Amino acid sequence: EDQVTQSPEALRLQEGESSSLNCSYTVSGLRGLFWYRQDPGKGPEFLFTLYSAGEEKEKERLKATLTKKESFLHITAPKPEDSATYLCAVQAARGNYQLIWGAGTKLIIKP
Amino acid sequence: DSGVTQTPKHLITATGQRVTLRCSPRSGDLSVYWYQQSLDQGLQFLIQYYNGEERAKGNILERFSAQQFPDLHSELNLSSLELGDSALYFCASSPRVGPNDEQFFGPGTRLTVL
Repeated sequence: EDQVTQSPEALRLQEGESSSLNCSYTVSGLRGLFWYRQDPGKGPEFLFTLYSAGEEKEKERLKATLTKKESFLHITAPKPEDSATYLCAVQAARGNYQLIWGAGTKLIIKP
Repeated sequence: DSGVTQTPKHLITATGQRVTLRCSPRSGDLSVYWYQQSLDQGLQFLIQYYNGEERAKGNILERFSAQQFPDLHSELNLSSLELGDSALYFCASSPRVGPNDEQFFGPGTRLTVL
């Protein structure tokens, strides 16, 4: 069964303290892995798409990487405005291209 | 701002009632998706339409239905509402229906069933 697991569920960091969020997946053939950011009460905001193992993408303080079994979202020197829930989703090679979503990691950056 | 609009922002209703949520996709996007997000369930895919036709179904209850109109806006109809239907309902759109298309989400409709 296709599945996406994100860890940790919640992460509290001090401003400037770098860390990583994990997204592990089991899927029969990966077409793409997506990262989204969601602020409370708002819709998810698209961040990155990764397609193949070894690929990396960066945006400001965020860097996403992909292996054959997992993806990491590295956050470098975070600021309080980076506080949000980060969602990971995968798209399987078979089926109707629907996204399979993880439960998210709630990131809190304390000033 | 993703370019996807949803109305209303908030909806409060009673059990047993019927409501309609509306979504306008980004200009040029042909595909519309509906999701439900509750505190204990995370983001759950409900249904997808592409250019007016149903493309895929997820965990959508029989009490729920949707459609996409010729101008590409979509409506999600929820009937015989129960307390457990209280949630955020999101609409997302993408240009096509194929692989690797990023989905762009609207601001959501918060439904409260009393």
